[in-house]
Amino acid sequence: QSALTQPASVSGSPGQSIIISCTGIGSDVGAYDYVSWYQQHPGKAPKLMIYDVRNRPSGVSNRFSGSKSGNTASLTISGLQAEDEADYYCSSYISSRTLVVFGGGTKLTVL
Amino acid sequence: QVQLQESGPGLVTPSQTLSLTCTVSSGSISRGNYYWTWIRQPAGKGLEWIGRIYTTGSTNYNPSLKSRVTISVDTSKNQFSLRLSSVTAADTAVYYCASALLQNPEGFDYWGQGTLVTVSS
Repeated sequence: QSALTQPASVSGSPGQSIIISCTGIGSDVGAYDYVSWYQQHPGKAPKLMIYDVRNRPSGVSNRFSGSKSGNTASLTISGLQAEDEADYYCSSYISSRTLVVFGGGTKLTVL
Repeated sequence: QVQLQESGPGLVTPSQTLSLTCTVSSGSISRGNYYWTWIRQPAGKGLEWIGRIYTTGSTNYNPSLKSRVTISVDTSKNQFSLRLSSVTAADTAVYYCASALLQNPEGFDYWGQGTLVTVSS
């Protein structure tokens, strides 16, 4: 299966908002509301930030929000902070094939 | 809160079998609401879902690895394991174990710290 498509990098200044996109096809992102987003700092395990398109786990800042339109899911980070600088990955569940696929990852730089 | 810890050899010889174990603490692996999952990440690259197991023993594998992968569970030890056969240098990666609720199958809420496995002679 092909990985979901994410931009390789995005950047923003402190206080600004950024959006990271995650594009799939009709059988993954477009088919179900099973899209998650992960934050990964260097040398660390990924951390779940958003699940089921728009839900935040307990303890995750409300500066992080998710949405979906058609075959593209998006992660919005508002009020950028230096600590947000990390790699971000999306994932989607493909029910018909009973598997999970990840995006290629996006490096967020806080200028 | 579930805690996961990977263990196993950090170096595997090409063509041999990679074997890793994930120990689950702060809760029973037999709880019926989790998928127990393996994910890997080559250095400087993205995440790859390897496969998962449910407490019943039911498994699902990444089609690209299916012929070489076996995931099993040992409820008496609160562990689940990964075996990847016929390894090559391309299998060198940090291997993570993780959990996902049944109702959120793509949302891996708990992760181990990861273990680096190098395939080299």
